[in-house]
Amino acid sequence: DQQVKQNSPSLSVQEGRISILNCDYTNSMFDYFLWYKKYPAEGPTFLISISSIKDKNEDGRFTVFLNKSAKHLSLHIVPSQPGDSAVYFCALGGGYNKLIFGAGTRLAVHP
Amino acid sequence: NAGVTQTPKFQVLKTGQSMTLQCAQDMNHNSMYWYRQDPGMGLRLIYYSASEGTTDKGEVPNGYNVSRLNKREFSLRLESAAPSQTSVYFCASRAGGRNEQFFGPGTRLTVL
Repeated sequence: DQQVKQNSPSLSVQEGRISILNCDYTNSMFDYFLWYKKYPAEGPTFLISISSIKDKNEDGRFTVFLNKSAKHLSLHIVPSQPGDSAVYFCALGGGYNKLIFGAGTRLAVHP
Repeated sequence: NAGVTQTPKFQVLKTGQSMTLQCAQDMNHNSMYWYRQDPGMGLRLIYYSASEGTTDKGEVPNGYNVSRLNKREFSLRLESAAPSQTSVYFCASRAGGRNEQFFGPGTRLTVL
């Protein structure tokens, strides 16, 4: 049974517009939530995180929103740039800092 | 500062062969992790080591063993490789008091 789902396998956005990536989870036990970005043939790179006690965290062009009642996490990228084209994973963290990852969303930002 | 390094980058094994994937980090992190990533799936935790001298099973430990050699190094061993272990393997480390994990570049393993 999947604890975390990224329902959109892919997303295409025009350069300069907003990219919104979504993640849904089923269990309320997680203490923090993270987003990772992954380029082909590289390891995932940490982007931004949010604690379960907050509903928003912003870092430059990246903002993460957490809706605990809906068990929903989203990442907003504004403005989107071609270099943002990658696979984005949400990850949920809890006991012993083990992470549970979603399957990823492939973002393509085109000029 | 190299971060997390993994060797080898690529490996092809025959069914039944054994091998050890090596991981090292130079960030003085206490915790280290091994994940596998299969097509269309997220990363899944195989084993982790919360601190030097301790190891614990993750979500998919069957067919694997690990050794936390010292604070820097955490190896993953396949004793008798099976085609189902064809995957990309990532090692990660985490500093105490922080939530984010830092990942190595991965090892692409094919078992024929």
